Amino acid sequence: QQQVKQSPQSLIVQKGGISIINCAYENTAFDYFPWYQQFPGKGPALLIAIRPDVSEKKEGRFTISFNKSAKQFSLHIMDSQPGDSATYFCAATPLFTGGGNKLTFGTGTQLKVEL
Amino acid sequence: NAGVTQTPKFQVLKTGQSMTLQCAQDMNHNSMYWYRQDPGMGLRLIYYSASEGTTDKGEVPNGYNVSRLNKREFSLRLESAAPSQTSVYFCASSELGPGDQPQHFGDGTRLSIL
Repeated sequence: QQQVKQSPQSLIVQKGGISIINCAYENTAFDYFPWYQQFPGKGPALLIAIRPDVSEKKEGRFTISFNKSAKQFSLHIMDSQPGDSATYFCAATPLFTGGGNKLTFGTGTQLKVEL
Repeated sequence: NAGVTQTPKFQVLKTGQSMTLQCAQDMNHNSMYWYRQDPGMGLRLIYYSASEGTTDKGEVPNGYNVSRLNKREFSLRLESAAPSQTSVYFCASSELGPGDQPQHFGDGTRLSIL
């Protein structure tokens, strides 16, 4: 049972375009939503994250949009560059669990930015 | 700083063999995690250790055991490997605290079981 559904599975975008990756969750206990970026042969690394008390968070070319009522959040990459080509994972977790940080990941989106 | 170091990077096993995957972190983090990554499945939590001396099951613990050797080291053991355990295994660490503590990942162990 996939608690965090991610789409699309793969995405090809032209250089300078906007990349959009969507995620939806079911568990209403989730209240922290990070995105991780993974390059081939490497482990994932935190890219950007959002709490549900805001509807949008922007860091450089990367923006998370959050819709609490729909239980959906998305990553937008503006002015996409070939160096952004990677696999992106959305994730979700409760903020307070009493111990540990149990992330639930989406299935990943493989992004390719073409010249 | 090396961050999170996993050994070995690659391994091929035969069905039924046993193996221990090693993980060490030098960031003085309290919490450590083991994930497996499979195509189309994302990362799934196998076991985690919120702090030294504690371990708990994650989403897919069957067929695995873990040991939190000390604050730095967290190992994952396959007692009798099965082809279904062919995967890329990632270790991660984080500060103990609210869920907004970022997890820092190693570069993975690629394990094939024949």
